[in-house]
Amino acid sequence: EVQLVESGGNLVQRGGSLRLSCAASGFTFSSHWMHWVRQAPGKGLVWLSRINSDGSSTTYADSVKGRFTIFRDNSKNTLYLQMDSLRAEDTAVYYCARAGYSIGWHYFDSWGQGSLVTVSS
Amino acid sequence: QSALTQPPSASGSPGQSVTISCTGTSRDVGDYNYVSWYQHHPGKAPKIIIYEVSKRPSGVPDRFSGSKSGNSASLTVSGLQAEDEADYYCSSYAGSNNFVFGTGTKVTVL
Repeated sequence: EVQLVESGGNLVQRGGSLRLSCAASGFTFSSHWMHWVRQAPGKGLVWLSRINSDGSSTTYADSVKGRFTIFRDNSKNTLYLQMDSLRAEDTAVYYCARAGYSIGWHYFDSWGQGSLVTVSS
Repeated sequence: QSALTQPPSASGSPGQSVTISCTGTSRDVGDYNYVSWYQHHPGKAPKIIIYEVSKRPSGVPDRFSGSKSGNSASLTVSGLQAEDEADYYCSSYAGSNNFVFGTGTKVTVL
């Protein structure tokens, strides 16, 4: 069974940093692209970032480009999101999601339960 | 990277059908057959129900169906059941390994 478990969410001050982790199990982690998605309180899902299988290629939404860094450690089956220069509007539940493959890596086929990040002003 | 547009809410009685629209642009929905749909019960992990416009992952009932025309996609839930009450999000590939979600639709089973 595919399992994704996020951790690292916390209360942090504006301008501070936080690192989220996503521990993967039940599949060959090193074979899958991975994503981070967030949901602010009362708002919808927002895609943030994706990383390819070996970590050599990353993409970011404009809202987090230059502040957030996605990376992975395939030896530990873990995905990370380093978040710097945090703003109040970064307050959200952060989900990691596994990319599903068909014609390409174009959908999210498994999700974690999420980790809450609160940025205080 | 503007969010895809969905109606805020939709509703139907048990056994009825409800259709949710998802409107994007020629740079996302209109350019790729990579629209997917997700069911999200608050507090739980989102669940994929449709990928590549109309494909259903194994285990998803055939009451869920998807389609696309031009810059818009749609999800239809037929034979509504109480457990279908949830938030639904569309998503589209937007080129250059970027992705975008819809604004979300809350489905209520009356």
